[in-house]
Amino acid sequence: NAGVMQNPRHLVRRRGQEARLRCSPMKGHSHVYWYRQLPEEGLKFMVYLQKENIIDESGMPKERFSAEFPKEGPSILRIQQVVRGDSAAYFCASSPPLTYEQYFGPGTRLTVT
Amino acid sequence: QKEVEQDPGPLSVPEGAIVSLNCTYSNSAFQYFMWYRQYSRKGPELLMYTYSSGNKEDGRFTAQVDKSSKYISLFIRDSQPSDSATYLCAMRGSYIPTFGRGTSLIVHP
Repeated sequence: NAGVMQNPRHLVRRRGQEARLRCSPMKGHSHVYWYRQLPEEGLKFMVYLQKENIIDESGMPKERFSAEFPKEGPSILRIQQVVRGDSAAYFCASSPPLTYEQYFGPGTRLTVT
Repeated sequence: QKEVEQDPGPLSVPEGAIVSLNCTYSNSAFQYFMWYRQYSRKGPELLMYTYSSGNKEDGRFTAQVDKSSKYISLFIRDSQPSDSATYLCAMRGSYIPTFGRGTSLIVHP
């Protein structure tokens, strides 16, 4: 059983460009969570999704950030018009229904130049 | 006051030592408690998952929860250099966990 997959692992964008981060959950997992981790800081929750539904986006900035988890395909975290402050490691986690045990992917390291 | 407090360390111990990692929290609604291990530039790996108070053991790892004191611990017996990593505590009431900052552990041979 493959684990949570994220791609790309490293992403470099210039200020003003768009960044798209992808997450494929573990087989049988229908819940996806996105987190951001900055150096010397813990994991900060951004958004919680189920297939075709955003359940909780209370941790996501209101502007420039969006997330989706379509019926088919991976979950995508989109950051428009990136700024240097968006540079961070972005982690996706998935969980099976009801348990909320979260299993993390390897992360995408976004660098904005 | 942060909801979850965790000393960032680093904590440096000799191989074979018993390691104690701790977190305190302020939210009485937390019912589920987790410990994750994160190696440098990798994703967090779920180590222990416990519900409410008590102890849970898995190999060299023991998780302890004291809800009356709002204090959780992770003990690692016979520590190995391969245990060197950052250990994150996490806890939740509903479906969104709150994470501590993580404690950096160094086990030297």
